[in-house]
Amino acid sequence: EDQVTQSPEALRLQEGESSSLNCSYTVSGLRGLFWYRQDPGKGPEFLFTLYSAGEEKEKERLKATLTKKESFLHITAPKPEDSATYLCAVQAYDYKLSFGAGTTVTVRA
Amino acid sequence: DSGVTQTPKHLITATGQRVTLRCSPRSGDLSVYWYQQSLDQGLQFLIQYYNGEERAKGNILERFSAQQFPDLHSELNLSSLELGDSALYFCASSGEAAGGGGYTFGSGTRLTVV
Repeated sequence: EDQVTQSPEALRLQEGESSSLNCSYTVSGLRGLFWYRQDPGKGPEFLFTLYSAGEEKEKERLKATLTKKESFLHITAPKPEDSATYLCAVQAYDYKLSFGAGTTVTVRA
Repeated sequence: DSGVTQTPKHLITATGQRVTLRCSPRSGDLSVYWYQQSLDQGLQFLIQYYNGEERAKGNILERFSAQQFPDLHSELNLSSLELGDSALYFCASSGEAAGGGGYTFGSGTRLTVV
């Protein structure tokens, strides 16, 4: 069974304090790894898709990287508006998308 | 507005009842996915439809069923409801069967079973 484990569960940062979120996974055949952002009471918002080890994607203060066993989401110089739950998901060749439990990031001004 | 429309936004019903959740995908998207999100389980994949056909199935209970209609909207039917079915139910859509471009999620239906 496909498994996605995210760590830490929660992260409290000071504004400007860079950090990284981890997503480790086991999947029968990886079609893609996705990162989403979810605000309370709202649906997840798509951030990135990574397809192969070594791939990197960037968007504003966020950078996602992928290895054969894990992915990292780096947050550089975060601002309070970056506070959210960040979800990692893997899609197997059978099209199923399995989500991790998420990392809740709180950025204090 | 993500372009994926879910109705109703909130639903309160009693145990044993049956409800229908509706989803209109983003314009042009052929794939629809249903997810359940509860506090202790995270986002759980239920089922995927692509252009009217069932494409993939996750941990969907036998009491739950779904379909996608010719106009591509989808409905998730939940029957014999139990307290444990209380959760947020999300619909997502994508433009291809594999969803490689990322899924677009709706704002969800919050179901409370009392």
